[in-house]
Amino acid sequence: GEDVEQSLFLSVREGDSSVINCTYTDSSSTYLYWYKQEPGAGLQLLTYIFSNMDMKQDQRLTVLLNKKDKHLSLRIADTQTGDSAIYFCAEVRDYGQNFVFGPGTRLSVLP
Amino acid sequence: GAVVSQHPSRVICKSGTSVKIECRSLDFQATTMFWYRQFPKQSLMLMATSNEGSKATYEQGVEKDKFLINHASLTLSTLTVTSAHPEDSSFYICSATLPGQGGGYTFGSGTRLTVV
Repeated sequence: GEDVEQSLFLSVREGDSSVINCTYTDSSSTYLYWYKQEPGAGLQLLTYIFSNMDMKQDQRLTVLLNKKDKHLSLRIADTQTGDSAIYFCAEVRDYGQNFVFGPGTRLSVLP
Repeated sequence: GAVVSQHPSRVICKSGTSVKIECRSLDFQATTMFWYRQFPKQSLMLMATSNEGSKATYEQGVEKDKFLINHASLTLSTLTVTSAHPEDSSFYICSATLPGQGGGYTFGSGTRLTVV
């Protein structure tokens, strides 16, 4: 289909790792993004990955990209209560002309 | 699935003119829509929350007289950039909450505004 897909909800215990998955559709996407939205706030860019990479690590965040399956994941190590938010993946289509977002995954961190 | 159609995708206008961007929910009723702006290499900044039939709620620092938001029906919200200046050049994107799923959002494809 045409959609970027994500699971809507994820719950993890504090200190565990969180893995948020995303599937996209446009194999020509050059950039894939992860955004975080805290309550009442705008979308904060967490990280992005170029399509010629298969992994990117930034402190507690690890992004894995499987181009063959068009699958993107965001792993948050040692998840904290402050990580509770909605996480969106997004791809840029049409050679940078259009952003396409997933519906967002609501991460709940339990004490 | 629930789709938000945003138009135009690109617009170039002269300084001093006004530009209207439309976001339309195609197969659901969007009581609340959100308008974002993205500066180059930065995150999407929430500009305002638009509720059908009432005035939009603007975020701090966003000029409501410059960025006019109208949400007159359950399927259409518009953002009008009035008296545009080159510094208004940016990427604008709208989103709406998905109906009946307890979570999730759907986004328009964005509008790239260039003011010359």
